[in-house]
Amino acid sequence: GQNIDQPTEMTATEGAIVQINCTYQTSGFNGLFWYQQHAGEAPTFLSYNVLDGLEEKGRFSSFLSRSKGYSYLLLKELQMKDSASYLCAVREDFNKFYFGSGTKLNVKP
Amino acid sequence: ETGVTQSPTHLIKTRGQQVTLRCSSQSGHNTVSWYQQALGQGPQFIFQYYREEENGRGNFPPRFSGLQFPNYSSELNVNALELDDSALYLCASSLGGAGLELTEAFFGQGTRLTVV
Repeated sequence: GQNIDQPTEMTATEGAIVQINCTYQTSGFNGLFWYQQHAGEAPTFLSYNVLDGLEEKGRFSSFLSRSKGYSYLLLKELQMKDSASYLCAVREDFNKFYFGSGTKLNVKP
Repeated sequence: ETGVTQSPTHLIKTRGQQVTLRCSSQSGHNTVSWYQQALGQGPQFIFQYYREEENGRGNFPPRFSGLQFPNYSSELNVNALELDDSALYLCASSLGGAGLELTEAFFGQGTRLTVV
């Protein structure tokens, strides 16, 4: 089975840095993905890790430790438009994704 | 804009009815996955189609069925609708196949289904 956990909600201030954690226990693993989803919209791809370590993409970075079943998404220089849900997803074989329930991030002025 | 289109965008059905949702995958993609997203939850994997064959299924009953066509577009059919089937239904297309590097999945905008 698949068990993917992330915090339900977080609040941060514009311009700050926020880290969203994700822990997982899955029967298969072929990458850990992060998606952003604004209310009423489709998820959009942010970042992924296959190997342990940090991947950086502009203001977004993602970290993976496969031995610990742990990942985090780091958002720097927060902007109001970053208010959204952030979904952690484990990819098993052949592009089947298993998602956590999402972390709703509220960015306040 | 991901190039993945779903129709209709919104739909209201009555309990017990049947519904068909459609998804056109991004050009060049041969794999379509369907997800159900209840309010406040993450998407849940329903099933995946690769080159017109079902290629894995999540924990959904047989009244959820699907098809993939030669042009790789896909349909999701749900029979005997229940109130709990009310959700956002997302399809995601990607390029699959042996020897391919990890590829991301692109999501459509979804179909909001309400069962009353």
